[in-house]
Amino acid sequence: DAGITQSPRHKVTETGTPVTLRCHQTENHRYMYWYRQDPGHGLRLIHYSYGVKDTDKGEVSDGYSVSRSKTEDFLLTLESATSSQTSVYFCAISESLNRDRYFGPGTRLTVT
Amino acid sequence: AQSVTQPDIHITVSEGASLELRCNYSYGATPYLFWYVQSPGQGLQLLLKYFSGDTLVQGIKGFEAEFKRSQSSFNLRKPSVHWSDAAEYFCAVVDSGGYQKVTFGTGTKLQVIP
Repeated sequence: DAGITQSPRHKVTETGTPVTLRCHQTENHRYMYWYRQDPGHGLRLIHYSYGVKDTDKGEVSDGYSVSRSKTEDFLLTLESATSSQTSVYFCAISESLNRDRYFGPGTRLTVT
Repeated sequence: AQSVTQPDIHITVSEGASLELRCNYSYGATPYLFWYVQSPGQGLQLLLKYFSGDTLVQGIKGFEAEFKRSQSSFNLRKPSVHWSDAAEYFCAVVDSGGYQKVTFGTGTKLQVIP
């Protein structure tokens, strides 16, 4: 299995609070991604990174920001959490943009 | 824009029966195609992938998939399903020639009954 960890694995937070999710990889892959998974929607890309300090938006980026200061770490921040951001968040990595993804175990976030 | 469709949201099969999960994609270039499996509470695991060459691809856990360009399909098959195959299955597609992101289908949930 690819070396990808996510923290925390579970989090409950209140509406309006900031939340940061962390993804850490040991594979030295260039590309890292944040997806959210919701019933009926499959996986939707939030943001991705193609190198240190290089990021781009995905299809559902509103309300989220990301940062990548090191190759191995990719952070997802919800500046002010809303109930619509209750979801399961997956980090993934890949060697190139159009190649297979390796996924982390996921973070279940509940915003009350 | 590329898209991928999994027409079956939920499928139920008996243990030992054969399985086919459908996946159709939509765009004109030569695609890279993937199937992933997600067990409850887990992340996605790659089952198999098609980049080029033989259109029948073998994957892990006894799964195979066949790329049919004329039908724009990449259906996943298994000759005899085991109870441990109960999971959600995702098809994914990307343009092989460009710098586009992988697009995932909405998934098919497989239930296996004894």
